[in-house]
Amino acid sequence: GAVVSQHPSWVICKSGTSVKIECRSLDFQATTMFWYRQFPKQSLMLMATSNEGSKATYEQGVEKDKFLINHASLTLSTLTVTSAHPEDSSFYICSAGDQNQPQHFGDGTRLSIL
Amino acid sequence: GESVGLHLPTLSVQEGDNSIINCAYSNSASDYFIWYKQESGKGPQFIIDIRSNMDKRQGQRVTVLLNKTVKHLSLQIAATQPGDSAVYFCAEKGASYDKVIFGPGTSLSVIP
Repeated sequence: GAVVSQHPSWVICKSGTSVKIECRSLDFQATTMFWYRQFPKQSLMLMATSNEGSKATYEQGVEKDKFLINHASLTLSTLTVTSAHPEDSSFYICSAGDQNQPQHFGDGTRLSIL
Repeated sequence: GESVGLHLPTLSVQEGDNSIINCAYSNSASDYFIWYKQESGKGPQFIIDIRSNMDKRQGQRVTVLLNKTVKHLSLQIAATQPGDSAVYFCAEKGASYDKVIFGPGTSLSVIP
Protein backbone atom coordinates (compact mmCIF):
# COMPACT_ATOMS: atom_id res chain seq x y z
CA GLY A 1 0.00 0.00 0.00
CA ALA A 2 0.89 3.65 -0.27
CA VAL A 3 3.38 4.90 2.27
CA VAL A 4 3.16 8.54 1.22
CA SER A 5 -0.23 10.15 0.81
CA GLN A 6 -0.79 13.40 -1.03
CA HIS A 7 -3.95 15.48 -0.95
CA PRO A 8 -5.73 16.76 -2.95
CA SER A 9 -5.05 14.78 -6.10
CA TRP A 10 -6.59 17.42 -8.33
CA VAL A 11 -7.45 21.06 -7.80
CA ILE A 12 -8.81 23.71 -10.11
CA CYS A 13 -9.01 27.27 -8.92
CA LYS A 14 -9.15 30.84 -10.07
CA SER A 15 -6.10 32.97 -10.62
CA GLY A 16 -5.05 34.83 -7.49
CA THR A 17 -6.13 32.24 -4.97
CA SER A 18 -3.79 30.26 -2.73
CA VAL A 19 -3.73 26.49 -2.78
CA LYS A 20 -2.45 24.18 -0.06
CA ILE A 21 -1.19 20.68 -0.82
CA GLU A 22 -0.59 18.14 1.93
CA CYS A 23 1.97 15.36 2.01
CA ARG A 24 1.78 12.69 4.71
CA SER A 25 4.06 9.80 5.55
CA LEU A 26 1.71 7.02 6.58
CA ASP A 27 3.72 4.48 8.53
CA PHE A 28 7.01 6.15 9.26
CA GLN A 29 8.33 9.44 10.53
CA ALA A 30 10.02 11.74 8.07
CA THR A 31 12.23 14.56 9.29
CA THR A 32 12.84 15.45 5.68
CA MET A 33 10.43 15.55 2.78
CA PHE A 34 10.93 16.81 -0.74
CA TRP A 35 8.69 18.74 -3.10
CA TYR A 36 8.94 18.36 -6.87
CA ARG A 37 7.25 19.95 -9.81
CA GLN A 38 6.69 18.25 -13.14
CA PHE A 39 5.55 19.74 -16.42
CA PRO A 40 4.05 17.54 -19.15
CA LYS A 41 6.57 15.21 -20.81
CA GLN A 42 9.35 16.47 -18.60
CA SER A 43 11.29 15.18 -15.64
CA LEU A 44 10.70 15.94 -11.99
CA MET A 45 12.32 19.15 -10.89
CA LEU A 46 13.21 19.48 -7.22
CA MET A 47 11.72 22.62 -5.72
CA ALA A 48 12.63 22.41 -2.07
CA THR A 49 13.59 20.26 0.86
CA SER A 50 11.13 20.38 3.72
CA ASN A 51 12.75 20.09 7.16
CA GLU A 52 10.72 19.22 10.23
CA GLY A 53 10.87 22.02 12.78
CA SER A 54 12.98 24.35 10.67
CA LYS A 55 12.91 26.35 7.48
CA ALA A 56 12.71 24.68 4.13
CA THR A 57 15.67 24.73 1.78
CA TYR A 58 14.76 26.00 -1.67
CA GLU A 59 16.47 25.17 -4.94
CA GLN A 60 17.91 27.95 -7.01
CA GLY A 61 15.24 29.83 -8.92
CA VAL A 62 12.33 28.72 -6.73
CA GLU A 63 10.61 31.62 -4.98
CA LYS A 64 10.22 30.85 -1.29
CA ASP A 65 7.52 33.50 -0.86
CA LYS A 66 5.57 31.97 -3.70
CA PHE A 67 5.83 28.38 -2.55
CA LEU A 68 5.42 28.28 1.22
CA ILE A 69 6.46 25.06 2.91
CA ASN A 70 5.54 24.03 6.42
CA HIS A 71 6.74 20.83 8.08
CA ALA A 72 5.17 21.06 11.49
CA SER A 73 5.16 17.38 12.37
CA LEU A 74 7.14 14.26 11.54
CA THR A 75 4.39 12.98 9.28
CA LEU A 76 3.10 16.08 7.51
CA SER A 77 4.52 18.66 5.15
CA THR A 78 2.42 21.22 3.31
CA LEU A 79 3.13 23.24 0.20
CA THR A 80 1.09 26.40 -0.33
CA VAL A 81 1.13 28.00 -3.75
CA THR A 82 0.32 31.62 -2.96
CA SER A 83 -1.55 33.92 -5.34
CA ALA A 84 -1.49 31.21 -7.99
CA HIS A 85 -1.45 32.14 -11.67
CA PRO A 86 -1.87 30.03 -14.84
CA GLU A 87 1.91 29.56 -15.14
CA ASP A 88 1.83 27.77 -11.77
CA SER A 89 -0.33 25.05 -13.27
CA SER A 90 1.66 21.85 -12.98
CA PHE A 91 1.92 18.44 -11.34
CA TYR A 92 3.30 18.75 -7.81
CA ILE A 93 4.77 15.65 -6.18
CA CYS A 94 6.16 15.08 -2.71
CA SER A 95 8.45 12.39 -1.45
CA ALA A 96 9.60 11.10 1.92
CA GLY A 97 11.84 8.37 3.20
CA ASP A 98 14.11 7.53 6.06
CA GLN A 99 17.87 7.58 5.86
CA ASN A 100 18.50 4.09 4.56
CA GLN A 101 15.51 3.59 2.31
CA PRO A 102 14.70 4.91 -1.14
CA GLN A 103 12.35 7.83 -1.27
CA HIS A 104 8.67 7.01 -1.61
CA PHE A 105 6.55 9.33 -3.68
CA GLY A 106 3.00 10.52 -3.36
CA ASP A 107 0.68 10.23 -6.31
CA GLY A 108 0.95 13.93 -7.04
CA THR A 109 -1.41 16.88 -7.16
CA ARG A 110 -2.58 18.19 -10.50
CA LEU A 111 -2.96 21.95 -10.12
CA SER A 112 -4.87 23.88 -12.76
CA ILE A 113 -5.18 27.64 -12.45
CA LEU A 114 -7.83 29.29 -14.59
CA GLY B 1 15.11 24.25 -9.41
CA GLU B 2 17.59 21.57 -10.25
CA SER B 3 16.88 19.10 -13.05
CA VAL B 4 18.58 17.25 -15.83
CA GLY B 5 17.22 17.45 -19.36
CA LEU B 6 13.91 18.78 -20.63
CA HIS B 7 12.15 16.43 -23.06
CA LEU B 8 11.47 12.73 -22.95
CA PRO B 9 13.20 10.37 -25.39
CA THR B 10 11.09 7.38 -26.35
CA LEU B 11 11.75 3.67 -26.76
CA SER B 12 9.39 1.23 -28.48
CA VAL B 13 9.82 -2.52 -28.00
CA GLN B 14 7.90 -5.59 -29.01
CA GLU B 15 6.15 -7.50 -26.25
CA GLY B 16 8.40 -10.29 -25.04
CA ASP B 17 11.62 -8.59 -26.09
CA ASN B 18 14.15 -7.23 -23.63
CA SER B 19 14.32 -3.49 -23.03
CA ILE B 20 17.39 -1.47 -22.20
CA ILE B 21 17.02 2.04 -20.90
CA ASN B 22 20.13 4.14 -20.50
CA CYS B 23 20.96 7.10 -18.32
CA ALA B 24 23.97 9.35 -17.90
CA TYR B 25 24.29 10.85 -14.45
CA SER B 26 25.98 14.09 -13.64
CA ASN B 27 27.58 14.01 -10.21
CA SER B 28 30.62 11.82 -9.68
CA ALA B 29 30.06 12.19 -5.92
CA SER B 30 26.67 10.48 -6.08
CA ASP B 31 26.79 7.16 -4.27
CA TYR B 32 23.29 5.85 -4.62
CA PHE B 33 21.21 5.40 -7.75
CA ILE B 34 17.59 4.52 -8.22
CA TRP B 35 15.31 3.65 -11.11
CA TYR B 36 11.71 4.79 -10.92
CA LYS B 37 8.70 3.98 -13.07
CA GLN B 38 6.02 6.60 -13.56
CA GLU B 39 2.64 5.83 -15.01
CA SER B 40 0.40 8.55 -16.34
CA GLY B 41 -1.06 10.74 -13.61
CA LYS B 42 0.83 9.01 -10.80
CA GLY B 43 3.93 9.58 -8.76
CA PRO B 44 7.18 7.70 -9.43
CA GLN B 45 7.30 4.10 -8.22
CA PHE B 46 10.53 2.53 -6.99
CA ILE B 47 11.87 -0.27 -9.21
CA ILE B 48 15.42 -1.02 -8.16
CA ASP B 49 18.43 0.69 -6.65
CA ILE B 50 22.18 0.26 -6.58
CA ARG B 51 24.97 1.66 -4.48
CA SER B 52 28.21 2.92 -5.95
CA ASN B 53 30.21 0.01 -4.53
CA MET B 54 28.36 -2.34 -6.88
CA ASP B 55 28.24 -2.56 -10.66
CA LYS B 56 25.24 -4.83 -11.09
CA ARG B 57 22.10 -5.67 -9.22
CA GLN B 58 19.21 -7.89 -10.22
CA GLY B 59 15.58 -7.88 -9.28
CA GLN B 60 12.54 -9.60 -10.63
CA ARG B 61 12.81 -9.21 -14.43
CA VAL B 62 14.97 -6.11 -13.96
CA THR B 63 18.70 -5.58 -13.82
CA VAL B 64 20.56 -2.35 -13.14
CA LEU B 65 24.11 -1.85 -14.36
CA LEU B 66 26.37 0.91 -13.08
CA ASN B 67 29.52 2.10 -14.83
CA LYS B 68 31.13 4.72 -12.62
CA THR B 69 34.00 5.30 -15.02
CA VAL B 70 31.72 6.87 -17.61
CA LYS B 71 28.93 7.80 -15.18
CA HIS B 72 26.42 5.59 -16.92
CA LEU B 73 23.47 3.69 -15.57
CA SER B 74 21.20 1.25 -17.39
CA LEU B 75 17.99 -0.59 -16.64
CA GLN B 76 17.31 -3.86 -18.37
CA ILE B 77 13.80 -5.27 -18.40
CA ALA B 78 13.46 -8.89 -19.42
CA ALA B 79 10.48 -10.15 -21.41
CA THR B 80 8.86 -6.74 -21.61
CA GLN B 81 5.11 -6.73 -21.04
CA PRO B 82 2.41 -4.18 -21.94
CA GLY B 83 2.19 -3.26 -18.25
CA ASP B 84 5.77 -2.07 -18.45
CA SER B 85 4.71 0.84 -20.65
CA ALA B 86 5.52 3.96 -18.65
CA VAL B 87 8.14 6.64 -18.21
CA TYR B 88 11.33 5.48 -16.54
CA PHE B 89 13.61 7.80 -14.61
CA CYS B 90 17.04 7.25 -13.24
CA ALA B 91 17.83 9.25 -10.14
CA GLU B 92 21.00 9.94 -8.20
CA LYS B 93 21.59 10.79 -4.58
CA GLY B 94 24.57 11.83 -2.52
CA ALA B 95 24.98 11.60 1.23
CA SER B 96 22.23 10.64 3.66
CA TYR B 97 19.17 12.88 3.44
CA ASP B 98 20.66 14.51 0.39
CA LYS B 99 18.25 15.35 -2.34
CA VAL B 100 17.35 12.93 -5.11
CA ILE B 101 17.94 14.38 -8.55
CA PHE B 102 16.09 12.93 -11.50
CA GLY B 103 17.41 12.30 -14.98
CA PRO B 104 15.43 13.28 -18.08
CA GLY B 105 13.39 10.08 -18.29
CA THR B 106 12.61 7.66 -21.10
CA SER B 107 9.14 6.81 -22.30
CA LEU B 108 8.83 3.06 -22.89
CA SER B 109 6.09 1.88 -25.21
CA VAL B 110 5.43 -1.85 -25.51
CA ILE B 111 3.91 -3.05 -28.77
CA PRO B 112 1.57 -6.03 -28.29
